[in-house]
Amino acid sequence: EAQVTQNPRYLITVTGKKLTVTCSQNMNHEYMSWYRQDPGLGLRQIYYSMNVEVTDKGDVPEGYKVSRKEKRNFPLILESPSPNQTSLYFCASRAGAGGIFPYNEQFFGPGTRLTVL
Amino acid sequence: DAKTTQPPSMDCAEGRAANLPCNHSTISGNEYVYWYRQIHSQGPQYIIHGLKNNETNEMASLIITEDRKSSTLILPHATLRDTAVYYCIVRVAYGQNFVFGPGTRLSVLP
Repeated sequence: EAQVTQNPRYLITVTGKKLTVTCSQNMNHEYMSWYRQDPGLGLRQIYYSMNVEVTDKGDVPEGYKVSRKEKRNFPLILESPSPNQTSLYFCASRAGAGGIFPYNEQFFGPGTRLTVL
Repeated sequence: DAKTTQPPSMDCAEGRAANLPCNHSTISGNEYVYWYRQIHSQGPQYIIHGLKNNETNEMASLIITEDRKSSTLILPHATLRDTAVYYCIVRVAYGQNFVFGPGTRLSVLP
């Protein structure tokens, strides 16, 4: 089954304790991205990656890191989490970074609900 | 990418057609209209997209006005499982970012 998986689904942590949220897709998609969703603010893009070893900042990258060492994985790293990073996080992937696939749909993972105390 | 305007909420009776409007008056010629929905706090799900022609798939129909300044997503026979937030997004074909606004919260009532 084609899917995007995220782990963990729920996480409660404390300020300053480094954490990683994993994201994996099995569709051989080139493009992957991370979003956070907060009440009243909709989904905002954190980082995206157009292919292996190619990443770029989205709208709200501060406090986050990403890496893309393999095509299928795109982990989100919070080096020193703070309470304002408490949010619902979604990973997404799609084929192509534009080009001949300009209108392809984006597949979203199930979400990771993070609470930073 | 052009900005979109949607009503914050709508109700629809189960079994009836749900018509969700979206205004995108500043849309440019190379921008597509996409619709996604988000059920509760699950990941958003793609529904349909279009450029200027009306489109239909197994989930919904998309009607785009001739001037492309607005569109309507039609769920022909709404069910309780269609209760969700529906997002209308306008985006250039080669853009990297999908900008999700607040969307329309559709409640399908029994």
